[in-house]
Amino acid sequence: GAVVSQHPSWVICKSGTSVKIECRSLDFQATTMFWYRQFPKQSLMLMATSNEGSKATYEQGVEKDKFLINHASLTLSTLTVTSAHPEDSSFYICSARFGEVVDGYTFGSGTRLTVV
Amino acid sequence: GQNIDQPTEMTATEGAIVQINCTYQTSGFNGLFWYQQHAGEAPTFLSYNVLDGLEEKGRFSSFLSRSKGYSYLLLKELQMKDSASYLCAAMDSNYQLIWGAGTKLIIKP
Repeated sequence: GAVVSQHPSWVICKSGTSVKIECRSLDFQATTMFWYRQFPKQSLMLMATSNEGSKATYEQGVEKDKFLINHASLTLSTLTVTSAHPEDSSFYICSARFGEVVDGYTFGSGTRLTVV
Repeated sequence: GQNIDQPTEMTATEGAIVQINCTYQTSGFNGLFWYQQHAGEAPTFLSYNVLDGLEEKGRFSSFLSRSKGYSYLLLKELQMKDSASYLCAAMDSNYQLIWGAGTKLIIKP
């Protein structure tokens, strides 16, 4: 089946530093990648939609200068959390649709970010 | 506005049957998804319904009524490994997924 590889699985960083999260589609081309964050016991919140070769579309309330998204190829999309703060600590997950709608969306394994 | 409602938590017994309900309100509709998410892990795809009726996949079945804006996920012969959160998501007219907060299912021996 379609697999999205997400790295790192977890990261601890100091406040003020930047963290890059990578998502790679391993056996299909992901024209569109979705980036979510999830706080404990809450639903997935869509942050942005990244399209290969063009600028990402950010959801209302998400700072595009803080959460930099790059989708330079059909198999790689990255999310960089810049100048991280403790309130950015969350579970970040990427997702891509790999076929027809009925096939669903495949998710990366998620990245647990803790900012200290 | 767009909204998904599902119960926060349910408890069931190993070997039994449980039904998790989901109601949705979206701008347009292009189908409803159910995902399973274990704690600390990413969601995994369970089912997709776009037409009214019941879709069966082994121990899991999913039902949709478009006129009522209603779906349910039915889990049979419950196993301890089924303890997880179950997320309902509706796809709107722009093919965007609107997610519910998830239902935490606790299975007791």
